[in-house]
Amino acid sequence: QVQLQESGPRLVKPSQTLSLTCTVSGASVTDDHYYWSWIRQPAGKGLEWIGRVYAPARTTYNPSLKSRVLISADTSKNQFSLQLTSATAADTAVYYCARASLGFRNWFDSWGQGTLVTVSS
Amino acid sequence: DIQMTQSPSSLSASVGDRVTITCRASQSISDYLNWYQQKPGIAPKVLISAASSLQSGVPSRFSGSGSGTDFTLTISSLQLEDFATYYCQQSYSTPYSFGQGTKLEIK
Repeated sequence: QVQLQESGPRLVKPSQTLSLTCTVSGASVTDDHYYWSWIRQPAGKGLEWIGRVYAPARTTYNPSLKSRVLISADTSKNQFSLQLTSATAADTAVYYCARASLGFRNWFDSWGQGTLVTVSS
Repeated sequence: DIQMTQSPSSLSASVGDRVTITCRASQSISDYLNWYQQKPGIAPKVLISAASSLQSGVPSRFSGSGSGTDFTLTISSLQLEDFATYYCQQSYSTPYSFGQGTKLEIK
């Protein structure tokens, strides 16, 4: 059974880089049948897809964040990571990592538990 | 980008009620539509994929329908554990997008 676990600093200062890692067990980030995504949710609000990595170095980003986002995979550690530069209070949210199968009819079938990241001085 | 709009935003209902939630896409997405349930403090869980395919382990009281731009999630007889927030999500094109959510509350 696949499990995902987010880790990283819970508090980030404004203008600094928000960095998170998702450790995957029970599956491989090199498996080209899956996308590995980051999704975030501000408190009391809806879900926003940030971007994905697959194959294992191809990426797709949400244009709304593209200029500030980098998602990469570390195949030796079976992890994938998120970097969001120039963080502001608007980036305060619960961040989830999630897996989806390749193809049009895909869905997020496995999720991490989520980690709250606060951007504040 | 494809915008997803859910209605209603919140809904009060009683155990045993039949409930329907609607999701509308800003353009046709065929049946590339998924439904998730989220409880407070917990990651979303997929209930239905490809508009109408019930995920393994999901009770049969949940059903989905629709194609093109209009979709529905129906719970045939509400149980206590169904009170949660529900999201639709399109997988037709990136950036993937979610509806704003429908919070189902106990009447």
